[in-house]
Amino acid sequence: GAVVSQHPSRVICKSGTSVKIECRSLDFQATTMFWYRQFPKQSLMLMATSNEGSKATYEQGVEKDKFLINHASLTLSTLTVTSAHPEDSSFYICSASMGLSYNEQFFGPGTRLTVL
Amino acid sequence: LAKTTQPISMDSYEGQEVNITCSHNNIATNDYITWYQQFPSQGPRFIIQGYKTKVTNEVASLFIPADRKSSTLSLPRVSLSDTAVYYCLVVTNTGGFKTIFGAGTRLFVKA
Repeated sequence: GAVVSQHPSRVICKSGTSVKIECRSLDFQATTMFWYRQFPKQSLMLMATSNEGSKATYEQGVEKDKFLINHASLTLSTLTVTSAHPEDSSFYICSASMGLSYNEQFFGPGTRLTVL
Repeated sequence: LAKTTQPISMDSYEGQEVNITCSHNNIATNDYITWYQQFPSQGPRFIIQGYKTKVTNEVASLFIPADRKSSTLSLPRVSLSDTAVYYCLVVTNTGGFKTIFGAGTRLFVKA
């Protein structure tokens, strides 16, 4: 149980286009979902926290108008990278939590975004 | 949020026990210590979590001293497949539940 999926696993897009990444909790309801970004050989950087039905809370330095997060249901959150540029190329990882206890955060497999 | 410090990298050989120590001097009363494992191009995988003393599961043990300012992840008899990055995290529920990753420890297991 406690499986989180991401789609797509890889995406290549042209500079200036927008890309949507989906994060789904397959077998549980996720009251909270997190989005991380990871550059090569670096740690995960928390971008934002989203709770179902409310606006996402972005970490300092993360542009909310560029990284649009929608948590429309208890099993789905989406991250849209708007007007993507090569510097947005990264590994994007989501995680989901039932929010009931400290260890209930399950990570997705990640999405590799390459902006040409 | 409590900052964590752990060694950048460690080397080991198959069959050995590996201990990775993490310091978290500013840990708060309500914070928990959690360890994750990450392979290249994959999402992190939960290993173990604890609050104090010792916690053991089927893959690892976690030792936390009384002052909770550090913790040690113990991996018994590592294999080549344990080569990965291991993250020590302090998970806080202050102002909302969130997890902040530190730099992690790159463990290389050699044959």
